[in-house]
Amino acid sequence: DPKIIQKPKYLVAVTGSEKILICEQYLGHNAMYWYRQSAKKPLEFMFSYSYQKLMDNQTASSRFQPQSSKKNHLDLQITALKPDDSATYFCASSQDWGVQNTLYFGAGTRLSVL
Amino acid sequence: TQTVSQSDAHVTVFEGDSVELRCNYSYGGSIYLSWYIQHHGRGLQFLLKYYSGNPVVQGVNGFEAEFSKSDSSFHLRKASVHWSDSAVYFCAVRVTGNTRKLIFGLGTTLQVQP
Repeated sequence: DPKIIQKPKYLVAVTGSEKILICEQYLGHNAMYWYRQSAKKPLEFMFSYSYQKLMDNQTASSRFQPQSSKKNHLDLQITALKPDDSATYFCASSQDWGVQNTLYFGAGTRLSVL
Repeated sequence: TQTVSQSDAHVTVFEGDSVELRCNYSYGGSIYLSWYIQHHGRGLQFLLKYYSGNPVVQGVNGFEAEFSKSDSSFHLRKASVHWSDSAVYFCAVRVTGNTRKLIFGLGTTLQVQP
């Protein structure tokens, strides 16, 4: 049973549109993260949250907005989509925000922007 | 700027062979090092980590890694690989401080042939 659920698994969008990527974790963790994996690039950190509070934002564009409606949810809203946004987006969580905590990743949402 | 280098993009071995996947990093302060495995179409799964203490750390499924401060390395090893070890392996560095982001290498694809 996957403990971190990401929906949808695949997503196709047109340039200029808006999409929301869903992430729910059932590990009882207090910290959640978003990472992006683009072709030919390393996995890239985007955001970290702890107890639903934004702790770290390494995403330059305001088009990417995380949303945490519940402690175990961290959705990612992307507006004004561009082809360069095409990537696999991974949600992750850890017990808390401690530096030694292990990250657990979801299976990802593969976004294609046409 | 912290960087993680995985010098081998692809490694091919036969089942039962030993393997070493190389990881070098550049950072002068306290760091947290980890390895993750990604099977095709899946999220990343944690293998092992090092923060302090014994420089040789044991992970899941017979993997181990050795930290070397002098070489700025954290190579992953396995004495006898199985076909199910075929996957992409990512080395990651987390620097101490106010951020919790993991900096990933580009990954090494390990192919185990029967």
